[in-house]
Amino acid sequence: GNSVTQMEGPVTLSEEAFLTINCTYTATGYPSLFWYVQYPGEGLQLLLKATKADDKGSNKGFEATYRKETTSFHLEKGSVQVSDSAVYFCALSGGYNKLIFGAGTRLAVHP
Amino acid sequence: EAGVAQSPRYKIIEKRQSVAFWCNPISGHATLYWYQQILGQGPKLLIQFQNNGVVDDSQLPKDRFSAERLKGVDSTLKIQPAKLEDSAVYLCASSFLRDRSYEQYFGPGTRLTVT
Repeated sequence: GNSVTQMEGPVTLSEEAFLTINCTYTATGYPSLFWYVQYPGEGLQLLLKATKADDKGSNKGFEATYRKETTSFHLEKGSVQVSDSAVYFCALSGGYNKLIFGAGTRLAVHP
Repeated sequence: EAGVAQSPRYKIIEKRQSVAFWCNPISGHATLYWYQQILGQGPKLLIQFQNNGVVDDSQLPKDRFSAERLKGVDSTLKIQPAKLEDSAVYLCASSFLRDRSYEQYFGPGTRLTVT
């Protein structure tokens, strides 16, 4: 069946460091891929998405490329800020467009 | 544009009691979802509605959970009777089609604690 695997956290970085959060997936067909972010005390927000192979999603300095050959959708940011501290979820769209989420990766950025 | 509304935000009940959650989706969104998010895990779909019809309820524990969507707009999720393992955040989402994919927008969630 469809599934998403994310790197375990927490990930702890200093401000302005480079961020990578790994995400791999297993799916039948050609799902859309998403990154959602959950800031402390808030609900899930869509961060970026990609709908087909080789697409790059980007938003707020974050990027992720849909790699079909490696079944991956790694999240990257060149220079993180304290305000990026949150839990990040990778997800794919399964049957009937429901979302299948990874377990989440907590990011803590220190000044 | 108003977001997805949920209430209550927090609920504490004893096991074997019943509880109900309410969701109002974004206006015009035909599809509505209920997810369960257990601490430390990603959300898991419980039930999906298209207008007021059920599309997918394969992961809903039907012996204790029920849900309905009134007139294709608001929805309620009920648990009766609750168990300790039902302690979780219950998320409601609604979606629309944009750029070849359905984007889901989430409400703030209801945090349920069963004691």
